[in-house]
This record gives sequence, C-alpha cells and structure tokens, in this order.
Amino acid sequence: AQSVSQHNHHVILSEAASLELGCNYSYGGTVNLFWYVQYPGQHLQLLLKYFSGDPLVKGIKGFEAEFIKSKFSFNLRKPSVQWSDTAEYFCAVNTYSSASKIIFGSGTRLSIRP
Amino acid sequence: ETGVTQTPRHLVMGMTNKKSLKCEQHLGHNAMYWYKQSAKKPLELMFVYNFKEQTENNSVPSRFSPECPNSSHLFLHLHTLQPEDSALYLCASSQDRLGSYEQYFGPGTRLTVT
Repeated sequence: AQSVSQHNHHVILSEAASLELGCNYSYGGTVNLFWYVQYPGQHLQLLLKYFSGDPLVKGIKGFEAEFIKSKFSFNLRKPSVQWSDTAEYFCAVNTYSSASKIIFGSGTRLSIRP
Repeated sequence: ETGVTQTPRHLVMGMTNKKSLKCEQHLGHNAMYWYKQSAKKPLELMFVYNFKEQTENNSVPSRFSPECPNSSHLFLHLHTLQPEDSALYLCASSQDRLGSYEQYFGPGTRLTVT
C-alpha cells in the first residue's frame, strides 16, 4: 500500500536556525507531492507542491522542497526559521493510480524558540 | 478566510446520539472531501464527492453516512459512534477530484464521543 513517512514527529529549533524536515513515500510510479502547513488554531493550507519539471520547488514564506526520485524523498527546507514558523507540517502524495486520493504523512510539529 | 466553513466547531455526543456535521465551500469547486485527523496519526481520507457523486469511500464504517446535496455542501451524519471515533473531522474542497489539484481545508469539527 502507498504510504508517506515523516520520521521527525517533533522538531525544536532556535530562531535563525536552518530547517530540514524529512518526507519519504512508497510508490514507484509518477507522483504529485505536497507540503501542507497547519499554524496553531488555523486550518491546513498548502505550502508548496511538485508536479513535474524542476525538482526544486519554492513555496510561500521562504520554504522550498527538493524531489529526489531515486530516494523517494521530498524534504522541506528553510535556510533561516522564524518564530512564526511554529506549526505542524504535513507531507502528502498523490499517485496516478489513485487519482482522487492524497495520502498524508503523520505530520511533524515544529517549535521555534524565540 | 479559507472559503470552506464547518459547523459546529466542537461537538460532544453520546454513543446513542445522532448528529450531523456540515461543510460549505464558497470557492466554486466541484470536489469535496471528508478527512479524520487523530492525534499522532496521518490524516485519513474518508469520502470523496465529485459533482455531488461519491467517488471514494475509504472503507469507512456505516455509522458515518455522508450526504452531498450539491457541489457546495457536504454533510457527515453520525450515529451510534464509538469513543475511538473522537477526532478532528476536516472538510476540504478542490477544483476537481483529481489529487493533483490543491485542496482547501476548513477549520474542522472537534468531535468527542462519550
């Protein structure tokens, strides 16, 4: 079965530190990849997405993610985090074999120390 | 403002009660979704509707009964629930049911089954 793994359940960083959140998926075919973010008390919203083309995609608020097909990975990065980045981050995958399904990971909670 | 609203925001119900969750989207989308979000678990897709027709039922128990009277409204009827059904229930919509489209989420209904 298709699945998405986010190995870090809770990450704690200081402001200005660099961030990398891991995401791996299990599916050998063509995929669409997403990162969603849920700020405290707010709804889930899209951070960035990859469909095709340049494997390095840029999203809102200075986030970027790199699709490495050989590693089945789509890690999220930000060079310098801010306190306002405190949130829960979800990686998600859509496969062409399950056209209407998006499979979500279990999420990574990011806490930023001011 | 997400364009997707959900009511009620909080619901406490006994195992013998019948209640309904409501979702409304103001984005002109054709597809709507119900998800279950439990602590420390991946977001679970429950149902998908496209142009009012159910296109996906992810092996959800029959005590959850969805209804989609039009493309803007989605209901989740609940009856004889179990305590393990306590969770955050999220509604989402997208332009089309294909998973490649961004999904817009509502704030969720926090359900507690006693």
